[in-house]
Amino acid sequence: KQEVTQIPAALSVPEGENLVLNCSFTDSAIYNLQWFRQDPGKGLTSLLLIQSSQREQTSGRLNASLDKSSGRSTLYIAASQPGDSATYLCAVRGSGGSNYKLTFGKGTLLTVNP
Amino acid sequence: DTAVSQTPKYLVTQMGNDKSIKCEQNLGHDTMYWYKQDSKKFLKIMFSYNNKELIINETVPNRFSPKSPDKAHLNLHINSLELGDSAVYFCASRYDGEQYFGPGTRLTVT
Repeated sequence: KQEVTQIPAALSVPEGENLVLNCSFTDSAIYNLQWFRQDPGKGLTSLLLIQSSQREQTSGRLNASLDKSSGRSTLYIAASQPGDSATYLCAVRGSGGSNYKLTFGKGTLLTVNP
Repeated sequence: DTAVSQTPKYLVTQMGNDKSIKCEQNLGHDTMYWYKQDSKKFLKIMFSYNNKELIINETVPNRFSPKSPDKAHLNLHINSLELGDSAVYFCASRYDGEQYFGPGTRLTVT
């Protein structure tokens, strides 16, 4: 059974800092990994999608890496801004028969202080 | 031009009632989902439909019954609501591995 862990559970940083959020998963047989952002009381916004054959994806100040063999992904946020404050969720999609299923971590609550 | 929409956004009801949450996606996706986010913010899959057929049915009480009248809709009906059903319910659709979420329905059972 796939399990996804995100560390840290919460992170508070001053504006302008670069930061890394970590995600680990127990079953390396994944189809892809997706990072989401969730603002309080809102739905999920997809940030980056990494296919199992890829090592990283970049979008603006965000960079996500994937090391499938070790079951790890990181989300790097450069030059953080107060608007980046949100909960960041990592989710993995299984391969084969579990391809339809996304398994989520519990998220990292990020606060960027002005 | 909302991609995945849910109604209602908020639902407050008493224990024992039956309620429905509707979901529609205008993305042309084949696969749709229902997720539950509990008070600790943990998101867990409940159901998945592909082309109106049930694909995933996690360990969910049979008081919860999804219905997909067509590919663009996946509704969730809940019978005999209990206090523990209070949560935020998210609908989602999927294409080519990427998942798109609705805004969520906050259900409060009193």
